[in-house]
Amino acid sequence: DAKTTQPPSMDCAEGRAANLPCNHSTISGNEYVYWYRQIHSQGPQYIIHGLKNNETNEMASLIITEDRKSSTLILPHATLRDTAVYYCIVMNYGGSQGNLIFGKGTKLSVKP
Amino acid sequence: NAGVTQTPKFRILKIGQSMTLQCTQDMNHNYMYWYRQDPGMGLKLIYYSVGAGITDKGEVPNGYNVSRSTTEDFPLRLELAAPSQTSVYFCASSYPSLRVGNEQFFGPGTRLTVL
Repeated sequence: DAKTTQPPSMDCAEGRAANLPCNHSTISGNEYVYWYRQIHSQGPQYIIHGLKNNETNEMASLIITEDRKSSTLILPHATLRDTAVYYCIVMNYGGSQGNLIFGKGTKLSVKP
Repeated sequence: NAGVTQTPKFRILKIGQSMTLQCTQDMNHNYMYWYRQDPGMGLKLIYYSVGAGITDKGEVPNGYNVSRSTTEDFPLRLELAAPSQTSVYFCASSYPSLRVGNEQFFGPGTRLTVL
């Protein structure tokens, strides 16, 4: 079973920030938080990951709480092309624990 | 780089038939994975490999077999197709490290229907 809990769906207005929450209260010390998205049945696409500190890249920002029990993915200026299912996943980085356990994710709808 | 490629894109099988789903990556990744995705659900891991000659079962391996004779290729074999294997199959690859984590790159998928 997935180790994360996400809302099933969210809406966001185009041009506004999309904030997608994720709970992972059972995360262990060596597990990372990963975010992927899947656009219309394409293969999942990596967005960002982090361990303890907040992270930012060209796609998004990841805010992890100090106790690491929850995180938020931020898309700063959502566009219609960001409409997708977003998956929050916790895992070790490799070895036998390096597989992604996908839950049902959050379906983000960006509206004009 | 082509990344991760999968063939075929679509396939319809009759019950009891067999087939091989092909997956190739050109990024020299050591890890490769096979996932399946049923309608409206998340992905589930079928098999994975941490290097040539090494494979291991994932969450849902029954009815499938894999081999990893080269770094680039990781074919998935269905021996006796069943309707329960109707799904979209995704192959992925990665090169895990402490510095960059385990970013997995996915192929476009193979849509399989068993009738």
